[in-house]
Amino acid sequence: DIVMTQSPDSLAVSLGERATINCKSSQSVLYRSNNKNYLAWFQQKPGQPPKLLIYWASTRESGVPDRFSGSGSGTDFTLTISSLQAEDVAIYYCQQYYNLPRTFGQGTKVEIK
Amino acid sequence: QVQLVQSGAEVKKPGASVKVSCKASGYTFMDYYIHWVRQAPGQGLEWMGWMNANNGGTGYAQKFQGRVTLTRDTSITTAYMEMSSLRPDDTAVYHCVRAAGASHFDYWGQGALVTVSS
Repeated sequence: DIVMTQSPDSLAVSLGERATINCKSSQSVLYRSNNKNYLAWFQQKPGQPPKLLIYWASTRESGVPDRFSGSGSGTDFTLTISSLQAEDVAIYYCQQYYNLPRTFGQGTKVEIK
Repeated sequence: QVQLVQSGAEVKKPGASVKVSCKASGYTFMDYYIHWVRQAPGQGLEWMGWMNANNGGTGYAQKFQGRVTLTRDTSITTAYMEMSSLRPDDTAVYHCVRAAGASHFDYWGQGALVTVSS
């Protein structure tokens, strides 16, 4: 199984400041035949299901604010919130869909400082 | 618009079975896969298995093999997750999730809380 490890487990950021979450996979999730990284990011607020933010490591889902961006390739990935807003308080998860079983990171809790 | 609407909360005794439904609308049901993901209270996301809504093919996480069965009824565009031999540590919110083949999860059901308690 591919193990997904996020860091940090939690972070507190001032409003308007940058938040950065890292995700590392235990093996590459880059599929060389199409040069795509099979990596997604989700946002989950209390009492709600996860919401897709980013797929193929860097493609923003329709309707997601452009302050959210994803980067990285192979085994190391980053989700960046360029200017934290109050509504961004949530838990963020990375997930690989390179193979089965699908696996998630443990989650990173983002709060306001 | 795409929607996955799940059945309501259930309370079960240890050893019982539960069947959660996931009604799909707003897209061609048979063109997608349905995955199931659970989340224990205060915990992270755990993938359980997948089902090809076109041909009914399934695959399961090893820990759920033999205890979880994924099915569908194409006439009513509904997917089901049935779990047997329930234990208290199966208490969780169970989500159905849509995916296009070997691609990312895009739409999630609202979740169904299953509580296992004597």
